[in-house]
Amino acid sequence: EVQLVESGGGLVQPGGSLRLSCAASGFTFSSYWMSWVRQAPGKGLEWVANIKQDGSEKYYVDSVKGRFTISRDNAKNSLYLQMNSLRAEDTAVYYCARGVAAAGTNYWGQGTLVTVSS
Amino acid sequence: QSALTQPRSVSGSPGQSVTISCTGTSSDVGGYNYVSWYQQHPGKAPKLMIYDVSKRPSGVPDRFSGSKSGNTASLTISGLQAEDEADYYCCSYAGSYTLDVVFGGGTKLTVL
Repeated sequence: EVQLVESGGGLVQPGGSLRLSCAASGFTFSSYWMSWVRQAPGKGLEWVANIKQDGSEKYYVDSVKGRFTISRDNAKNSLYLQMNSLRAEDTAVYYCARGVAAAGTNYWGQGTLVTVSS
Repeated sequence: QSALTQPRSVSGSPGQSVTISCTGTSSDVGGYNYVSWYQQHPGKAPKLMIYDVSKRPSGVPDRFSGSKSGNTASLTISGLQAEDEADYYCCSYAGSYTLDVVFGGGTKLTVL
């Protein structure tokens, strides 16, 4: 059974940093693109970043470029999102997903809430 | 990376059909046959309903269908049921030489 479990969310002050993790199991992690998608409270889904199987290609939404870094450790079956210079507008539930949402994926984590507030 | 345009809300009675539109540009919806649709109930993760414009994953009822014309994709739900009440999001690739992704703003479907 495919499982994606996010962790690392919490309350952080504006300008602070946070590292999200996503532990994957039930499939060959190294064979799939992986993604982060977020959803601000009461708002819609927003794609954040994608990473290729070997980490050689990464893509980001414009609003996080230069502040967020997506990475993966295939030996640990884990996906990460390093978030720096956090802003109030980054407050959201962050989901990790297997694959790229545009191509269709039915494998999502339960989400982890990041709150940026003083 | 502008969000795709969806109606904020649609509604229909049980048994009726509704169509949700998703309008983009030639750089996203119109440029790829990679439009997907997601259903999301409150507090839940998104569920894939349609991928590659019109394909249904196994387990999704054939009441759900997708299509595309030019820069606009559509999701049609026929034979509405109470459990179809949810938020629906379209999604497309959005980069010429990248794998940027863009979602629609979401549509709230109310089953009257």
